Amino acid sequence: KNQVEQSPQSLIILEGKNCTLQCNYTVSPFSNLRWYKQDTGRGPVSLTIMTFSENTKSNGRYTATLDADTKQSSLHITASQLSDSASYICVVSASNTGTASKLTFGTGTRLQVTL
Amino acid sequence: EPEVTQTPSHQVTQMGQEVILRCVPISNHLYFYWYRQILGQKVEFLVSFYNNEISEKSEIFDDQFSVERPDGSNFTLKIRSTKLEDSAMYFCASGLTGHSYEQYFGPGTRLTVT
Repeated sequence: KNQVEQSPQSLIILEGKNCTLQCNYTVSPFSNLRWYKQDTGRGPVSLTIMTFSENTKSNGRYTATLDADTKQSSLHITASQLSDSASYICVVSASNTGTASKLTFGTGTRLQVTL
Repeated sequence: EPEVTQTPSHQVTQMGQEVILRCVPISNHLYFYWYRQILGQKVEFLVSFYNNEISEKSEIFDDQFSVERPDGSNFTLKIRSTKLEDSAMYFCASGLTGHSYEQYFGPGTRLTVT
């Protein structure tokens, strides 16, 4: 059964600090992995998308890594800001045909950035 | 920047009533999706729609659910007889192509069934 597990479940950090969120997946055949940011009561917004051949991808202060051998991904947030407070969801696609039903969502990591 | 919009933002309905959730996808997109997220749980795929027909649906999308693109801009999700367990956030998404990663989500409609 395809699964995406994320850790930690929640995290509190001080503004300006860095943090790393983890994603482990058992999805096959792997197509791509993406990280979404979801503000409370809002829809997910894509941060990064990585395919099998990509090891790292950055989007501003967000850097995602992918190890397809160990089936692990991480999202590193640098110099956190209060506006980074949100849930971060790891989503893995199991098909390269693009059918939405092949998306497996993680439960997310709830990040809170405080003063 | 174009975005997906959804109305209403919050819908309260009584069990057994019909509800219609509305979405306006990004104008040049061709693929449309509905997802739901029960409070505290994962986002779950409901249905995908392309070329005026359902292209794929999950086991959640039973006969109580239907989708429609009544005109060139709206995409709707109808729940015929709501149940308490239908209470959730419902997200619409659209994509220019069918690739799974090219989906843009709307802000969601919170459905509360009492």
